Amino acid sequence: EIVMTQSPATLSVSPGERATLSCRASQSVSSNLAWYQQKPGQAPRLLIYGASTRATGIPARFSGSGSGTEFTLTISSLQSEDFAVYYCQQYNNWAALTFGGGTKVEIK
Amino acid sequence: EVQLVQSGAEVKKPGESLKISCKGSGYSFTSYWIGWVRQMPGKGLEWMGIIYPGDSDTRYSPSFQGQVTISADKSISTAYLQWSSLKASDTAMYYCARGAFGQLWFDYWGQGTLVTVSS
Repeated sequence: EIVMTQSPATLSVSPGERATLSCRASQSVSSNLAWYQQKPGQAPRLLIYGASTRATGIPARFSGSGSGTEFTLTISSLQSEDFAVYYCQQYNNWAALTFGGGTKVEIK
Repeated sequence: EVQLVQSGAEVKKPGESLKISCKGSGYSFTSYWIGWVRQMPGKGLEWMGIIYPGDSDTRYSPSFQGQVTISADKSISTAYLQWSSLKASDTAMYYCARGAFGQLWFDYWGQGTLVTVSS
């Protein structure tokens, strides 16, 4: 099973600042990496797939990068609605998809 | 409009059986994978398994193999997640989600079904 490790567990950021979230895979997943946002009481929402392609309707302030084992989600200028938990997910191995443990982005 | 609508919250006792559902609409149900994801209280997302309703090809996470059964009825565009004998540790929110066409990132999610198992 491919283990996805996200860091940090919690990120404290002021509105308007940049947030950088990391996701590391225990083995290469090529670019088969997605990012999701989850707000309290809501289902997750797809943000990024293919490591760097924004999903439909996702603002340009969200960007993804990386390949292989190291990935980054960047939120260029945090808005109030961006405070949430973010998860990465690898889909390189269709027999065993895995999510990272999540990064909570909170207001500083 | 693509929608996944899940069945309502359940309260069960340990040892009871349960089947929850996820009805897809607004797209060709047989052409997209449906996945199930568990979220225990205050915890992260865990992939449980996936099914391709077109041919019922099903794959399970090693962590959930033998613990749950995933099925689908393509005639009514509905996927299912079932337990034969619930445990208190099955208490969680369960989400279904649609895999993007030919891929396994999840582009649409159901609203979730809360399952509470308590004596």
